[in-house]
Amino acid sequence: SAVISQKPSRDICQRGTSLTIQCQVDSQVTMMFWYRQQPGQSLTLIATANQGSEATYESGFVIDKFPISRPNLTFSTLTVSNMSPEDSSIYLCSVSDRGNQPQHFGDGTRLSIL
Amino acid sequence: LAKTTQPISMDSYEGQEVNITCSHNNIATNDYITWYQQFPSQGPRFIIQGYKTKVTNEVASLFIPADRKSSTLSLPRVSLSDTAVYYCLVGPNTNAGKSTFGDGTTLTVKP
Repeated sequence: SAVISQKPSRDICQRGTSLTIQCQVDSQVTMMFWYRQQPGQSLTLIATANQGSEATYESGFVIDKFPISRPNLTFSTLTVSNMSPEDSSIYLCSVSDRGNQPQHFGDGTRLSIL
Repeated sequence: LAKTTQPISMDSYEGQEVNITCSHNNIATNDYITWYQQFPSQGPRFIIQGYKTKVTNEVASLFIPADRKSSTLSLPRVSLSDTAVYYCLVGPNTNAGKSTFGDGTTLTVKP
């Protein structure tokens, strides 16, 4: 299965700043996804990162707040913009070959906003 | 999107068989059932997937009745290291993003 690396693994940020999270896969994959997991809760899909085109966002998530890039088939970034304490969460990247389950997940980026 | 319902938590003892049931009454014809395991500070890890009847791999079995409105993940002879959150997902196999994570079941294995 694909090996996914996320950077940073954790960060503490100031209110109003932005942070870019990187997701690197060791093989080319069709689909990449970004999730948010708040402490003690389940995962919520933020968006599907599309290679060569704009990401597809789920209800409640917008591009201005969570801009996503996917320049090739092995790499994607998620930026959390203008952060507030409510953005404190774990952000996870997942990949899927040809869009099928199962997905393979990175270990996430634990983000705390002061 | 099919909604799933699982028990919030379950307790077991080492060496026992654990069965976690997931209800998915509005499963669609082309939906598959996929189970993931998540440890603290890690991303979810795929356990098993099925469409109907029974699927078995080296770590678990998945039982799906004929009406497919529920499924049961069976973990044989659990150990302390099986303590984790288990998620049941239901969705089409052609777009992983169309499967919604439910609330999950926290399994605690005791010595």
